[in-house]
Amino acid sequence: NAGVMQNPRHLVRRRGQEARLRCSPMKGHSHVYWYRQLPEEGLKFMVYLQKENIIDESGMPKERFSAEFPKEGPSILRIQQVVRGDSAAYFCASSPQQGAGTEAFFGQGTRLTVV
Amino acid sequence: DQQVKQNSPSLSVQEGRISILNCDYTNSMFDYFLWYKKYPAEGPTFLISISSIKDKNEDGRFTVFLNKSAKHLSLHIVPSQPGDSAVYFCAASVGGSQGNLIFGKGTKLSVKP
Repeated sequence: NAGVMQNPRHLVRRRGQEARLRCSPMKGHSHVYWYRQLPEEGLKFMVYLQKENIIDESGMPKERFSAEFPKEGPSILRIQQVVRGDSAAYFCASSPQQGAGTEAFFGQGTRLTVV
Repeated sequence: DQQVKQNSPSLSVQEGRISILNCDYTNSMFDYFLWYKKYPAEGPTFLISISSIKDKNEDGRFTVFLNKSAKHLSLHIVPSQPGDSAVYFCAASVGGSQGNLIFGKGTKLSVKP
């Protein structure tokens, strides 16, 4: 039973380019969450998605960031026109359902470096 | 404005002794608390959780204590082992949600042989 799979593990982008981060949840998990960790900081919630629906995007920057979780395929976090401040580790987590006792499992993260 | 605070960036403990990691929170609406362990270059791994209706939850060497009046929780690891060396994150949520978890900045635990 594979865990949460994120790719790529490392991504280097020049300022102004687009970054696409992919997350395949654990089998049977329909809830996906994206978090960002800046250096020396804790993880910060960005967005919560279920299949084809964005449930909570309160942590997403208003511009340049978008996320989707299509009916088929992985969840995608897209960052357009990246800037140096976007350099961070981006973690995806999944859970089978919501609520206490259904802890989310995290992937290994994608480390984005903007040069 | 940090709603979940881990005031000790690091902690060093001798193998076999008790490790106590602390966490304070400000939002009285939080009703579910979790501890995650993270090794370098890996994602966080769930360790243990506690609902606000309890004041203690135990799982093997790990025990979490919750003091709601003080808005404080702590993770006890006993006995500590070198493999426990990692960064420990405290997290909290409202309504038991796995979605919008609010994380502290983490405490780096070093267990020395």
